[in-house]
Amino acid sequence: KQEVTQIPAALSVPEGENLVLNCSFTDSAIYNLQWFRQDPGKGLTSLLLIQSSQREQTSGRLNASLDKSSGRSTLYIAASQPGDSATYLCAPVGMRGGNKLTFGTGTQLKVEL
Amino acid sequence: KAGVTQTPRYLIKTRGQQVTLSCSPISGHRSVSWYQQTPGQGLQFLFEYFSETQRNKGNFPGRFSGRQFSNSRSEMNVSTLELGDSALYLCASSPEGALNTGELFFGEGSRLTVL
Repeated sequence: KQEVTQIPAALSVPEGENLVLNCSFTDSAIYNLQWFRQDPGKGLTSLLLIQSSQREQTSGRLNASLDKSSGRSTLYIAASQPGDSATYLCAPVGMRGGNKLTFGTGTQLKVEL
Repeated sequence: KAGVTQTPRYLIKTRGQQVTLSCSPISGHRSVSWYQQTPGQGLQFLFEYFSETQRNKGNFPGRFSGRQFSNSRSEMNVSTLELGDSALYLCASSPEGALNTGELFFGEGSRLTVL
């Protein structure tokens, strides 16, 4: 059974800082891994998708890396802004087929002015 | 291109009642998944439908059921509601086929409150 852990659980930083959010998973047999953000009371917004054959993926100020063998992924946020305040979730997808995601508990990020 | 649409957005029910939630996927997407989000358990997978067939199922009691129609729209039903069923129910869609990257796109959710 896949288990996903995200560290830290919460993070508060001043605007402009570079951040690293960590995600670890127990079953390395994954098809891909997706990072999402969730604003309070809202749905999930897809940020980055990393295929199992990839090492990293970039979108704007976001960079996600994947080390499948060690069961780890990191999300790097450059030059953080107050609008980045949200909960960040990682979710690996298993190899067994279908689109079943196992979510971590998330990192709640607050970027202050 | 319209995103994933879920209706209703908010609803209040009482214990013992049943509820039906609807999800319209992104046009062309054939896979629809459902997730339950609660403060205590986080996000948990309910089930996934593809081409009108349930492809995956999570660890939820039989009171939770779903279906998918030929136009890929999906509904989920919860019967005999319990207080613990209060949650945000999220629907996600994904394309299938050679170009499928496995990326899921989520709707805004249906917030169910059981009194």
